[in-house]
Amino acid sequence: IAGITQAPTSQILAAGRRMTLRCTQDMRHNAMYWYRQDLGLGLRLIHYSNTAGTTGKGEVPDGYSVSRANTDDFPLTLASAVPSQTSVYFCASSYTRQGADTQYFGPGTRLTVL
Amino acid sequence: GQNIDQPTEMTATEGAIVQINCTYQTSGFNGLFWYQQHAGEAPTFLSYNVLDGLEEKGRFSSFLSRSKGYSYLLLKELQMKDSASYLCAVRDSNYQLIWGAGTKLIIKP
Repeated sequence: IAGITQAPTSQILAAGRRMTLRCTQDMRHNAMYWYRQDLGLGLRLIHYSNTAGTTGKGEVPDGYSVSRANTDDFPLTLASAVPSQTSVYFCASSYTRQGADTQYFGPGTRLTVL
Repeated sequence: GQNIDQPTEMTATEGAIVQINCTYQTSGFNGLFWYQQHAGEAPTFLSYNVLDGLEEKGRFSSFLSRSKGYSYLLLKELQMKDSASYLCAVRDSNYQLIWGAGTKLIIKP
């Protein structure tokens, strides 16, 4: 692994189903993030984690949950998917959330909820 | 509320220079980032400004004026591979990145 990986690459999901998007980084970054990107809108933060064992809510957390059991993994779960959650989801990580620390992004998961 | 404004789309000619503007209104300021995003790909880091002035990095430069809530990204000697979206993001007082919707740059031969 080099950088951040996400799985699956894309998924079509029936409304009401549960879905977990996976994210793994091998850079030993402390902070991790989940964003969604919709046409015409900027990236919007769903949840974040400053360090393993801690998580926080972003701008659009409703309908999503996260966990951070270790440094490398930061899964995002949709408990009961709805069509408005159709989007491209990006996981990102950075060494910290301060200064010039850059966020590095995974390749994204394209999710369609029908 | 917090707001980042960028033009939706710009067109430029290969070999020319283009300036992409970004204005922001955020609760606090802890730095401004520019990212490049090719269609269907992830954003990648271009530049970071925290103090007023110009930061130059090869063909790309970024300028910041904190008093005006304004930044621009300057791309010189445009190449076809520079066709992409350019995202402006500001780190607010809570150290969260607030993102603009991005500027789609189209390069014509």
